[in-house]
Amino acid sequence: KQEVTQIPAALSVPEGENLVLNCSFTDSAIYNLQWFRQDPGKGLTSLLLIQSSQREQTSGRLNASLDKSSGRSTLYIAASQPGDSATYLCAATNQAGTALIFGKGTTLSVSS
Amino acid sequence: GAVVSQHPSWVICKSGTSVKIECRSLDFQATTMFWYRQFPKQSLMLMATSNEGSKATYEQGVEKDKFLINHASLTLSTLTVTSAHPEDSSFYICSARFGGGASPEQFFGPGTRLTVL
Repeated sequence: KQEVTQIPAALSVPEGENLVLNCSFTDSAIYNLQWFRQDPGKGLTSLLLIQSSQREQTSGRLNASLDKSSGRSTLYIAASQPGDSATYLCAATNQAGTALIFGKGTTLSVSS
Repeated sequence: GAVVSQHPSWVICKSGTSVKIECRSLDFQATTMFWYRQFPKQSLMLMATSNEGSKATYEQGVEKDKFLINHASLTLSTLTVTSAHPEDSSFYICSARFGGGASPEQFFGPGTRLTVL
């Protein structure tokens, strides 16, 4: 059964820093991997989706990579801003049409 | 991206009452909807998978008689928490997948905060 782990659980950085959030998964037979943002008490905002045939996806200051062989994905945030403060969730699915398996998230705090 | 709505956004009820949560796909037909639950400071845990026109598939440990799911149309799934108790207080989020085949992405609703007194 697929398990998703995220480290660190929390991260505090000053504004302007580049940072990396890590996600690992146990089953490399992954169909796709998705990164979400969740603000306190709110729902999920999809950031990036990487399909199994892809190695990375980029959107603005965000870049997500996928390495199936090592069971890892990273979310790179460039030039962090206080508005980036949120919990970032990584989720994977092994088959088309099946539910996502979520990690516990990394709570990011960016100070001005 | 596609839009999924949930209603209500929050609800407070007394112990023993039932609460219905609606999940709607606003601009696409969702053949499959998923219901997740999130306890404070925890991640989302899948409760059940709902396919239009058929019975929901529940995850291990989720009581199907307590959490009733109905997916009567391609745009609406409902989750009814029957005889709610304080331990059912949680954040309930639905997601919807459109079409069939290899459609990769799921779209999430904004969630419903349930508080049972």
